[in-house]
Parts: sequence; C-alpha cells; structure tokens
Amino acid sequence: DTAVSQTPKYLVTQMGNDKSIKCEQNLGHDTMYWYKQDSKKFLKIMFSYNNKELIINETVPNRFSPKSPDKAHLNLHINSLELGDSAVYFCASRDEGDEQYFGPGTRLTVT
Amino acid sequence: EDQVTQSPEALRLQEGESSSLNCSYTVSGLRGLFWYRQDPGKGPEFLFTLYSAGEEKEKERLKATLTKKESFLHITAPKPEDSATYLCAVFEAGGGNKLTFGTGTQLKVEL
Repeated sequence: DTAVSQTPKYLVTQMGNDKSIKCEQNLGHDTMYWYKQDSKKFLKIMFSYNNKELIINETVPNRFSPKSPDKAHLNLHINSLELGDSAVYFCASRDEGDEQYFGPGTRLTVT
Repeated sequence: EDQVTQSPEALRLQEGESSSLNCSYTVSGLRGLFWYRQDPGKGPEFLFTLYSAGEEKEKERLKATLTKKESFLHITAPKPEDSATYLCAVFEAGGGNKLTFGTGTQLKVEL
C-alpha cells in the first residue's frame, strides 16, 4: 500500500491556467505538508496542516491555496500559473516522532 | 533564520571508497536533525533522526553523527546502489513544526 500518494505525477499547462494537485496519506497522521523543490533540488516548505487546520504558511503567493477536506487529504490549488511555478511539488505527512514521509512528487511544467 | 549548509555539493566515489558528507546548521534551538535520501524522480526517503550532540545512528553502510554545529553522514564501503542525493534537514524547537532543508549532496558511486 502506498503511504503518501499524489496525483497527477506530471502536469504540463500554460501560463494563466488554474490547476490542482491532490495528496492522500493512509498512515493516520494528523499533520501534512506541501513542499516545493526547485531545479537546484532545494526543498522548501510551503504549507502545513494539522488535523485540517492551517498551521504554517511560508509567505507563499496567495495564488496558492491549500485545502484539507479531512486529515488524510491535503490538496493544492494554484491560480493563474506563472513560469516560475514550474517545479516538483511534494506532499508529506508527519508522525508523532517528527519523521516526515514524502509522496512521489508532482512535476509541474508551466509553458 | 535557520540555515543548513551541506558539503560537498557533489561527490564521486569508487565502490568501496569510504567518505563523509557534511551538514552544518545554525538554529536557535535544535529539536532534531534529519537525514533523507532522494533518488531521481522520487520523494525523499527518511534515513535517520538525531536529537542531541554525541548521538550516532547506523543503518547498513551509513552512519550519522551529530555535534552542536554539524552532522556527518559516513558512508563505509559504498556500493553503486548508494548513489542518490542525500538531504539534511533541521527541526527547530518552536519553529512551527517545519523542516528546513539543506541543498543536498549528490553522491555517485562507480564500479
């Protein structure tokens, strides 16, 4: 069974479009995250939710809106996509021991 | 602000040639230091958590150590399958439950 899953794996879209990435974890964890990994492999946190409540928002443009319908799901909606949004986006969940488990990533390409 | 610096950026080893990766950090209060392995096209995979200076953890050919300013990931007699990017991250006390990552060391082990 996949612990943290993301869909889609690849997303190619044009500037100005709106897109969503979905994340689901079956580990029973309360805390979930979105990270962005740029072309230099630098991984930076964007958002964190704990049991459907937003607890971290790392100065991300408000074109990015996370939504957590329940504690097993954390989706990321992006409005008015820009070239600079091209990156790999990772979802993660955290257990009580502080260890984070990452999904396989979604490679977003904005043309 | 937390800073995490990893060196070297890239490392090429011959199979069996032991070496160490460095992670230097600056945080106001370290709650934990994490090592992750990332293979191309995949999400980071958890390796170790270290919580206090002097702590060591081992897994197969890998050994992680921690001081008050840095952590080392020692690789003993590496094999080609150890080739990956190794990421270090710090978890700051009172830091809102977020990991701050370094830029990683890309390791290639050749036959």
